[in-house]
Amino acid sequence: QKEVEQNSGPLSVPEGAIASLNCTYSDRGSQSFFWYRQYSGKSPELIMFIYSNGDKEDGRFTAQLNKASQYVSLLIRDSQPSDSATYLCAVNNGGGFKTIFGAGTRLFVKA
Amino acid sequence: EAGVAQSPRYKIIEKRQSVAFWCNPISGHATLYWYQQILGQGPKLLIQFQNNGVVDDSQLPKDRFSAERLKGVDSTLKIQPAKLEDSAVYLCASSRQGGNQPQHFGDGTRLSIL
Repeated sequence: QKEVEQNSGPLSVPEGAIASLNCTYSDRGSQSFFWYRQYSGKSPELIMFIYSNGDKEDGRFTAQLNKASQYVSLLIRDSQPSDSATYLCAVNNGGGFKTIFGAGTRLFVKA
Repeated sequence: EAGVAQSPRYKIIEKRQSVAFWCNPISGHATLYWYQQILGQGPKLLIQFQNNGVVDDSQLPKDRFSAERLKGVDSTLKIQPAKLEDSAVYLCASSRQGGNQPQHFGDGTRLSIL
């Protein structure tokens, strides 16, 4: 079992819809969760991060944690074609020093 | 605030040659990371520094890869000799002290091995 798993996609949604991206992790002691956006040919860009104490909303983006089921979600409301990219989930393990990246989910927003 | 600086942006070499990459982190960031990203995959950690000490180099192919972070600021990653499978993007990232802090990435170096 991989430590951080994401569906590779592509996930295709129409413009204006909600895109829901999920990420599962294996280390139950994980405490920090990060979402990065990576456009083709570019480096990852931090979108938002949450700690194990709660969810977070930032503009059109919401990150939610389900500790019992060991997954973290990123919701993108009012999806735009400019949101089309690969979304990487990263999880910091309970020990604090090691962050593992998933392989990413490709999102395609149709105009 | 200046971002993470990396150079060069692109490099093409032949197999068995050597290559070096340079990274300057965001000012004040104690932790520096080198990643290898192969097309279609997530970043794979090669080495993580806390100040000038190594925290994790478990996935660094030490027979050919080396890295240093003298004085706890900028860092270099070297490959010698290069193999065809080293073709990838090499990303440098930095964060405030502690692995639970968000990482900020440089633009990366795209390495092609002929």
